[in-house]
Amino acid sequence: DAKTTQPPSMDCAEGRAANLPCNHSTISGNEYVYWYRQIHSQGPQYIIHGLKNNETNEMASLIITEDRKSSTLILPHATLRDTAVYYCIVSRKLIFGTGTRLQVFP
Amino acid sequence: NAGVTQTPKFRVLKTGQSMTLLCAQDMNHEYMYWYRQDPGMGLRLIHYSVGEGTTAKGEVPDGYNVSRLKKQNFLLGLESAAPSQTSVYFCASSYRIEFWTSGSAAYEQYFGPGTRLTVT
Repeated sequence: DAKTTQPPSMDCAEGRAANLPCNHSTISGNEYVYWYRQIHSQGPQYIIHGLKNNETNEMASLIITEDRKSSTLILPHATLRDTAVYYCIVSRKLIFGTGTRLQVFP
Repeated sequence: NAGVTQTPKFRVLKTGQSMTLLCAQDMNHEYMYWYRQDPGMGLRLIHYSVGEGTTAKGEVPDGYNVSRLKKQNFLLGLESAAPSQTSVYFCASSYRIEFWTSGSAAYEQYFGPGTRLTVT
């Protein structure tokens, strides 16, 4: 199963776009990229997933590089409620790493 | 729809005691999963099930057993609790969506609220 690398923490000003990077250089051709977030100690919440093309939904956008070795989750207008730990996963068994702790400040 | 529910929400055990955690989902999902999360860590997969009557080991299965007698329920058992099993336990469920043209599959997981277990 492919592993991921994410920065441990990031800050973002409220109202600005938050761009969270993820490196997954060992991803295989048929593995999806998933993003989840965990607010405080709640259960993780699914955000978005993609295979090759960029994806957008009501929560976020996902940009996957052409070689699929990295991706970026974009929260277009971050709010204080987006403060959470964000996990990037590229494994069928959905192995979670330690994620990126995003702090949105006023 | 209640989604994924977990029982109990909190539990304190003494070393050597046994208990069962119950996970229930009402979304008719085929796949169910048990994870544990230790302080400051990500989630680690304990066991999972791809259908009623089938279970498989995940990343950290030792000390746990599971059963999936009904499609909507997934039970996690601790036969002899140890302090190292103090953790927050999350259950999740998902569909398995096959994409035959690409040979890939997607599994959007829905998580329960967690069970906080302390073993003294």
